[in-house]
Amino acid sequence: RKEVEQDPGPFNVPEGATVAFNCTYSNSASQSFFWYRQDCRKEPKLLMSVYSSGNEDGRFTAQLNRASQYISLLIRDSKLSDSATYLCVVLRGTSYGKLTFGQGTILTVHP
Amino acid sequence: DGGITQSPKYLFRKEGQNVTLSCEQNLNHDAMYWYRQDPGQGLRLIYYSQIVNDFQKGDIAEGYSVSREKKESFPLTVTSAQKNPTAFYLCASSPRPGAGTEAFFGQGTRLTVV
Repeated sequence: RKEVEQDPGPFNVPEGATVAFNCTYSNSASQSFFWYRQDCRKEPKLLMSVYSSGNEDGRFTAQLNRASQYISLLIRDSKLSDSATYLCVVLRGTSYGKLTFGQGTILTVHP
Repeated sequence: DGGITQSPKYLFRKEGQNVTLSCEQNLNHDAMYWYRQDPGQGLRLIYYSQIVNDFQKGDIAEGYSVSREKKESFPLTVTSAQKNPTAFYLCASSPRPGAGTEAFFGQGTRLTVV
């Protein structure tokens, strides 16, 4: 079983739609969680960190469920510019840890 | 400006040659990482380093080597033993991990074997 698993999609949604991605992780010692966005042929960039209490940044909401070992990303009112690959990232350890990436979920928002 | 710099952006290698990819950061980050990304795939960890003069193998270390002689620098050598080296290579760094600590990426190096 992969340490971090995501549904690769692709998700094709119309503008204005709400879309949700899930990511599961296998190591219960994982401590920090992130969602990154990667545009075609570019480096990944941090979209948001994921906190235990859940957090929201504009149209984006991230949730963490430690008991079930999954994190989620919800995008409301999708824009064309949201089209990208969304990567789930897990950091294991509390001191110096290892970053592990999911394979990414491809989102395409169409007019 | 602080950041993480990879060079070169594009690199062509003949079969049987070793090549070294550069990664430099001026963010004073402790941890540095090398990832490989193949088309349509996620990032796979090659090596990572948590402190100077120390590094650990990731999931796909075979055919690669690294060094961490300085905090700012973490070069990756792709050796002739790597059978399929054509890929997009990404270097990242992060400060001492803790809750909410993010990783910063360089712009990547596209390596092609000709």
